[in-house]
This record gives sequence, structure tokens and C-alpha cells, in this order.
Amino acid sequence: NAGVTQTPKFQVLKTGQSMTLQCAQDMNHEYMSWYRQDPGMGLRLIHYSVGAGITDQGEVPNGYNVSRSTTEDFPLRLLSAAPSQTSVYFCASSNHKQGQPQHFGDGTRLSIL
Amino acid sequence: KQEVTQIPAALSVPEGENLVLNCSFTDSAIYNLQWFRQDPGKGLTSLLLIQSSQREQTSGRLNASLDKSSGRSTLYIAASQPGDSATYLCAVLSGADGLTFGKGTHLIIQP
Repeated sequence: NAGVTQTPKFQVLKTGQSMTLQCAQDMNHEYMSWYRQDPGMGLRLIHYSVGAGITDQGEVPNGYNVSRSTTEDFPLRLLSAAPSQTSVYFCASSNHKQGQPQHFGDGTRLSIL
Repeated sequence: KQEVTQIPAALSVPEGENLVLNCSFTDSAIYNLQWFRQDPGKGLTSLLLIQSSQREQTSGRLNASLDKSSGRSTLYIAASQPGDSATYLCAVLSGADGLTFGKGTHLIIQP
């Protein structure tokens, strides 16, 4: 039972570097999303997708890009990493329209030096 | 803009006590409310989901209630155990985008 799989689990980057955080789900969920979790701020929505080929911005989208070419995968790209993007990133998926619970991955802990 | 508040921010109680965690939200037009558990350094585990048309949900020693009109939910934990120690997060779905989270209640159950 894989559920939502995030890779890598940990990453250290230098300012200005780019990278892609991977997220894959095997539950055939239409809806996928990315959140970041920061101390004192809670979890905040970065980007979301309601199906393949459809993406939209959440509360804190600046500095991040997403794409949804398949139902299973929803990668998050940092174009030019900044120290302010140091955070824990969580991917989630659900059968959104049916009001089912959202399932979360184990997170990626990202440090930008 | 939807805002979710959780009270208290932290709670420490002896083992065996029954306890209540509170969650309030500013916009009552929600689709559902979900309670999560998060252990240190780990991801989120879904505990209970309450649809907007429901009043409560139960799972084992956990009971969650929803009063949508007043913008409140409570998570009741019966006969608490040290293994219940974690951060509990409340989140509401009020649009097509995503969940709005509270900042959580950090719970410690003393053996």
C-alpha cells in the first residue's frame, strides 16, 4: 500500500540552485496538492491540481512551478532556491469531488543555504 | 479568507484523562473538516473526516463533532494514553483549492 510517495526525504541546496520535489500516488486520485509547513505558520497551500493537465495556485505559489502530465505524478519545481524556501514540503491527494479524506506523503525536508 | 484557530496550542495531561481539543473556523461555508495527527518529524495521519452535513464521527477512543453554524469542531480523546502524544491538526475544506489548517495542538500525555 504505497499511497502518496515523496522523494527525496531530505535535501540541502545552495541559494540559486534548482530542483524538483517528486510526488506520486497510486490511488487514482484526481486531486493533488503541495503544502509547506513552517514553524508558527502551520501548513500553507502552494499549488494544486484537480486533474491531469490542470493546475492552479494556492496561497503561497511564488518561486514554485508545477505540472500534471499524468494522474499519478505531481512534481514541484523550485526555479531558483532561496533561504526563505527552507521548509518541510508535503504532497497530498484525494478523491476531491467525493469529499474523501486527503492522504499525505511523509514529507521532504528541504534546507537552502 | 478562511481562518482556522486551534485552542489550546499545547496541552499536558496525566495518562487516563479524557480531553477535548478545540478548533474554530471563520467561514461556515465548508465542505468538510478533517482532524490529523502528526508525530515529530513525520507526515500527517488522517484521524477523522466530518462532512458538512454530519454532526460527528467516531473512531475508537476518538470522537469529533462539528457545529458548522457556529464554526466549531471538537476532538474528544477518551482514556488518553502516552501513545496519543503528538500534534493534532484541524483542517477545513471550503473551496476547490485545498485545505486550510490550524496551527495545531501539541499534546503530551504523561505516563
